[in-house]
Amino acid sequence: EDQVTQSPEALRLQEGESSSLNCSYTVSGLRGLFWYRQDPGKGPEFLFTLYSAGEEKEKERLKATLTKKESFLHITAPKPEDSATYLCAVQATGNNRKLIWGLGTSLAVNP
Amino acid sequence: EAQVTQNPRYLITVTGKKLTVTCSQNMNHEYMSWYRQDPGLGLRQIYYSMNVEVTDKGDVPEGYKVSRKEKRNFPLILESPSPNQTSLYFCASSRRDSNQPQHFGDGTRLSIL
Repeated sequence: EDQVTQSPEALRLQEGESSSLNCSYTVSGLRGLFWYRQDPGKGPEFLFTLYSAGEEKEKERLKATLTKKESFLHITAPKPEDSATYLCAVQATGNNRKLIWGLGTSLAVNP
Repeated sequence: EAQVTQNPRYLITVTGKKLTVTCSQNMNHEYMSWYRQDPGLGLRQIYYSMNVEVTDKGDVPEGYKVSRKEKRNFPLILESPSPNQTSLYFCASSRRDSNQPQHFGDGTRLSIL
């Protein structure tokens, strides 16, 4: 069964303390892996798409990487404004656009 | 500004009273979708539409209806709402290509008493 698991569920960091969020997935074939950020009271905001193992993408303090079994979202020197829930979703091949969503990691960055 | 707009943002209503949540996008996207988000269950797809007049069920379609008469609009209809449909609802849209990211509205919080 296709599945996406995110860890940890919640993470609290001090400002400037770098860390990584994990998204493990099990699918028959990967068409794409998506990272989103969700702020309270808002819809998910798209961050990155990764398509194949070894691929990396960066945006400001965020860097997403992909292997055949998992993706990491690395946060370098986070700031309080990086506090949000980070969601991972996977699209499998032959699945006609359906996304399989993880439950997210709630990140809090203290000043 | 490119956006997906949902209305209303908040609604408290009673069991059995028909309601419609509207969704409109200004990006000329072919694909549109409705999700509900519940604690511990994450985002679950209700219905989706690949284009005008083409709709299909997602994972949790029971108790919901949709229509896609125009490319920009994709309303969600609850004909006879029940308390188990109390949730946070999101509309999303994307380009036709299958691996394009979806863009989300800001959500509609529904409470069914």
